[in-house]
Amino acid sequence: DGGITQSPKYLFRKEGQNVTLSCEQNLNHDAMYWYRQDPGQGLRLIYYSQIVNDFQKGDIAEGYSVSREKKESFPLTVTSAQKNPTAFYLCASMGQFFSGNTIYFGEGSWLTVV
Amino acid sequence: DAKTTQPPSMDCAEGRAANLPCNHSTISGNEYVYWYRQIHSQGPQYIIHGLKNNETNEMASLIITEDRKSSTLILPHATLRDTAVYYCIVRLYNNNDMRFGAGTRLTVKP
Repeated sequence: DGGITQSPKYLFRKEGQNVTLSCEQNLNHDAMYWYRQDPGQGLRLIYYSQIVNDFQKGDIAEGYSVSREKKESFPLTVTSAQKNPTAFYLCASMGQFFSGNTIYFGEGSWLTVV
Repeated sequence: DAKTTQPPSMDCAEGRAANLPCNHSTISGNEYVYWYRQIHSQGPQYIIHGLKNNETNEMASLIITEDRKSSTLILPHATLRDTAVYYCIVRLYNNNDMRFGAGTRLTVKP
């Protein structure tokens, strides 16, 4: 089935360690996104990519890094520079603009830093 | 700067219409208005979108003012399952920038 796969679903890391969250899609979508959600809050855009080898910062990019070497993959690295990384992270991808209902989300990754 | 402004929370009685407002006073001529909702910690679900005309689908209606500076999402007969966070987004025609903002937390009460 087509969709977005995020892994791992739950991740625990020690403070000061970098951690990479995986996001893979087989929908042939050009655009991919990473969002962060804190409890009771809305979604905040971290980074997005419109094509391979290109990405733009969102509202809260500090302390995060991404790469887009393949169309299918958009991994997010939470670095030690991120002051409060414990949160829920959602990856998404989107097809043609004309169909705004073609944004798909993964199931999310819960990151806890101890 | 936020492109949209929504009230943080609203209540609605079950079976009644839920009217969720969104202000987008700086919207440009080629920007669409999109509405999504998020239930619990799932990814947001698309509801409806429009440019300048009112739109209706099986889930909701979208009313856009003539000057396009605000819009209202209408759920005609709200159910308990409509309890969610509703996001209003404006999107540039030629850009895939998708920022959801804080949204409105709608609580449907029995």
